[in-house]
Amino acid sequence: GESVGLHLPTLSVQEGDNSIINCAYSNSASDYFIWYKQESGKGPQFIIDIRSNMDKRQGQRVTVLLNKTVKHLSLQIAATQPGDSAVYFCAEVLGAGKSTFGDGTTLTVKP
Amino acid sequence: DTGVSQDPRHKITKRGQNVTFRCDPISEHNRLYWYRQTLGQGPEFLTYFQNEAQLEKSRLLSDRFSAERPKGSFSTLEIQRTEQGDSAMYLCASSSRDRGRGYTFGSGTRLTVV
Repeated sequence: GESVGLHLPTLSVQEGDNSIINCAYSNSASDYFIWYKQESGKGPQFIIDIRSNMDKRQGQRVTVLLNKTVKHLSLQIAATQPGDSAVYFCAEVLGAGKSTFGDGTTLTVKP
Repeated sequence: DTGVSQDPRHKITKRGQNVTFRCDPISEHNRLYWYRQTLGQGPEFLTYFQNEAQLEKSRLLSDRFSAERPKGSFSTLEIQRTEQGDSAMYLCASSSRDRGRGYTFGSGTRLTVV
């Protein structure tokens, strides 16, 4: 069967490795999902989004996967760099743009 | 355009005092949002404007909280009779009609109520 990634509050990876950050969402009616990166002392920064009618979307070094069957979202970061160290949030968007944020994952990249 | 600006960056106030925060969104964005974030948590929605109209308010927003966007440009968030539980980061964000691009957040105003 298909495994569902667990949400982990912290993730530590070696520089150059790939990172996978998981998120479970709650509302099946959400029509967009967005990943944000938040560095210390700053507001969240948009990384990538995916529409609910898509399964996968790729950006520069990042890929987002959406599994609507189990209401699960993941963010994959290729060749993780020290500058990727931050807190990552997923958000689901319903209606006129109000977003509901999930629990964050703190990513630490070890040199 | 320098993005979303929030003022002040930090505010320390005594319990019972009123505070007001300002947000200047990206000029071409017609939607403006206020969120609150406590340490270790994701941002929680407070309220949302489209142009000057306040379209939605969270149940989290008690009667002590009020937000305005009088000319559809900058916005203010006022907290009356502050309580220690109001201590948090208050984030403002703006967006265009294309919801899929997400928000552009400001750096926030950190409120400490002593």
